[in-house]
Amino acid sequence: DVKVTQSSRYLVKRTGEKVFLECVQDMDHENMFWYRQDPGLGLRLIYFSYDVKMKEKGDIPEGYSVSREKKERFSLILESASTNQTSMYLCASSLEGQADTQYFGPGTRLTVL
Amino acid sequence: AQSVTQLDSQVPVFEEAPVELRCNYSSSVSVYLFWYVQYPNQGLQLLLKYLSGSTLVKGINGFEAEFNKSQTSFHLRKPSVHISDTAEYFCAVSETSGSGGYNKLIFGAGTRLAVHP
Repeated sequence: DVKVTQSSRYLVKRTGEKVFLECVQDMDHENMFWYRQDPGLGLRLIYFSYDVKMKEKGDIPEGYSVSREKKERFSLILESASTNQTSMYLCASSLEGQADTQYFGPGTRLTVL
Repeated sequence: AQSVTQLDSQVPVFEEAPVELRCNYSSSVSVYLFWYVQYPNQGLQLLLKYLSGSTLVKGINGFEAEFNKSQTSFHLRKPSVHISDTAEYFCAVSETSGSGGYNKLIFGAGTRLAVHP
């Protein structure tokens, strides 16, 4: 079974802090994705990566950056957290050429005070 | 750009009753369509997908969906639901992204299915 793990289930940070959300997948997938999930808005794509050291902006990249130094790990960075970044963050991965069949982690619920 | 509309934000239903969760997408030459399910406190998992071929697609846990090109719909159905089907269901469409030609998913807002005894 594909396993996608996220470093924390719950995280509380203060406005202005730098926040790192980590995602690791164990199935050698080429593609990795970061989404945020908000009630009534569904999932919105923040960034994605199709290879190591490669990244592409999704639909809502503002206020976020990413890092992919190793194939199995994809990090989401909030350089200066703000209250409007309070949300559920979901990481996903998929095989090359199958970006539409994604495997999701359990999510990190981030609260920014 | 593609968009996905899930017409019901919440659907309450009694156990063993049939259910239909509605999904419409914006028109395109060709589309790949998906339903994902999110059980409480879990990530999403793929329920079923339509890539081509038969318009009736069967998925896990007794769910099925029908692709209707003329109505740009991909409604999800189950003839008899169980308490364990209580979850949030997301419809999604695949879209090719920008100059790189990468595929990505566009999700609907979700439908919360609540099955009552």
